[in-house]
Amino acid sequence: DIVMTQSPDSLAVSLGERATISCKSSQTIFYSSNNENYLAWYQHRPGQPPRLLIHWASTRASGVPDRFSGSGSGTDFTLTISSLQAEDVAVYYCQQYYTTPTFGQGTRLEIK
Amino acid sequence: QVQLQESGPGLVKPSETLSLTCTVSGDSMTGYYWSWIRQPPGKGLEWVAYIFNGGDTNYNPSLKSRLTISQDTSNNQFSLKLTFVTAADTAIYYCARGGYTEIDLWGQGTLVTVSS
Repeated sequence: DIVMTQSPDSLAVSLGERATISCKSSQTIFYSSNNENYLAWYQHRPGQPPRLLIHWASTRASGVPDRFSGSGSGTDFTLTISSLQAEDVAVYYCQQYYTTPTFGQGTRLEIK
Repeated sequence: QVQLQESGPGLVKPSETLSLTCTVSGDSMTGYYWSWIRQPPGKGLEWVAYIFNGGDTNYNPSLKSRLTISQDTSNNQFSLKLTFVTAADTAIYYCARGGYTEIDLWGQGTLVTVSS
């Protein structure tokens, strides 16, 4: 199995400030034949199902605000929220689909 | 608008079989992968299994010996069976679209508690 490790486990950011979450995979999830990184990011608000934010490491899903962005390649990836809004309070997960899917342990994002 | 709805018992006894069904409304199931993902209380997400076109399946290796995923395309449903459950299988179980690549649509989830 590919192990996904997120950091930090929790994060407190002021409204309007930038939030950055890291995700590292135990092996590469970059597929050279199609030049794609097999990584997604999800937002999980309390009492709601998870929501797809980013796929292929950097492609925003439909309807996702452009303050959310994904970057990285190979084994190191980042989710950035450029200007934190109150509705962004949630747990964020990365997930690889290079092989049998695995999720990171989650990062809890709160308002400072 | 495509929607997914989980159904099944909320309480299962230890050593028995957990059975859940997901009903897909608003679109055909054909051509999509369909997954089950679970979240134990206070813990993170764990992918469980997916199915495609009724025959292509993939299972979480740690659960594989106890799992069966199946699909009933005519009724727009897919199902999960997990045998010999223990308290460690207590979780919110989500059905979802995707799994071979990104998971782009999720049901609301259903809590299944394993207890005598």
